[in-house]
Amino acid sequence: DAGVTQSPTHLIKTRGQHVTLRCSPISGHKSVSWYQQVLGQGPQFIFQYYEKEERGRGNFPDRFSARQFPNYSSELNVNALLLGDSALYLCASSSKTRGTEAFFGQGTRLTVV
Amino acid sequence: SQKIEQNSEALNIQEGKTATLTCNYTNYSPAYLQWYRQDPGRGPVFLLLIRENEKEKRKERLKVTFDTTLKQSLFHITASQPADSATYLCALDNAGNNRKLIWGLGTSLAVNP
Repeated sequence: DAGVTQSPTHLIKTRGQHVTLRCSPISGHKSVSWYQQVLGQGPQFIFQYYEKEERGRGNFPDRFSARQFPNYSSELNVNALLLGDSALYLCASSSKTRGTEAFFGQGTRLTVV
Repeated sequence: SQKIEQNSEALNIQEGKTATLTCNYTNYSPAYLQWYRQDPGRGPVFLLLIRENEKEKRKERLKVTFDTTLKQSLFHITASQPADSATYLCALDNAGNNRKLIWGLGTSLAVNP
């Protein structure tokens, strides 16, 4: 059974550009969460989606947006990239919105130059 | 202010010894707390979840305790092995409508042969 898959694994973008990151959750999982992790820090919550609806949002600017599709896969979009957006972006899927373990993908390493 | 703190310094122990990692929190009332392992450049991997009404949880060589009075969780790895070397993250449920997990910075553990 496939785990959480994220694409691409690495990405280099220029300041001001836009980026779309993709995530496919574990089969049967309806909840997808996105996190940003800067080197040496813990993951910072960006969004959670469940059954295609946004269920939670972290303290990130409106340049960050996401959506979940009918097959429960998800996209994270970041507009007007800044150097400070360089980080490992993690997607996690779970069977419920709370109270259960999260299964993470390998992450997308985004570098903004 | 709200804080979640883990051992700030890296932990170095000898193979076969017990590693004990600490997670302290302030001004949270989590319904549950989770521990994850993270290897460099990879997503976190779930290890254990403990609920507020549980004092202790075990899984193979791992043990977690949760003291809601002290606002502290301890994570133990017994009979440690070099393969246990990684960063260990604690995450707690921020009870509320935001649905997000709050993460510590992690503790780096090195088990020396």
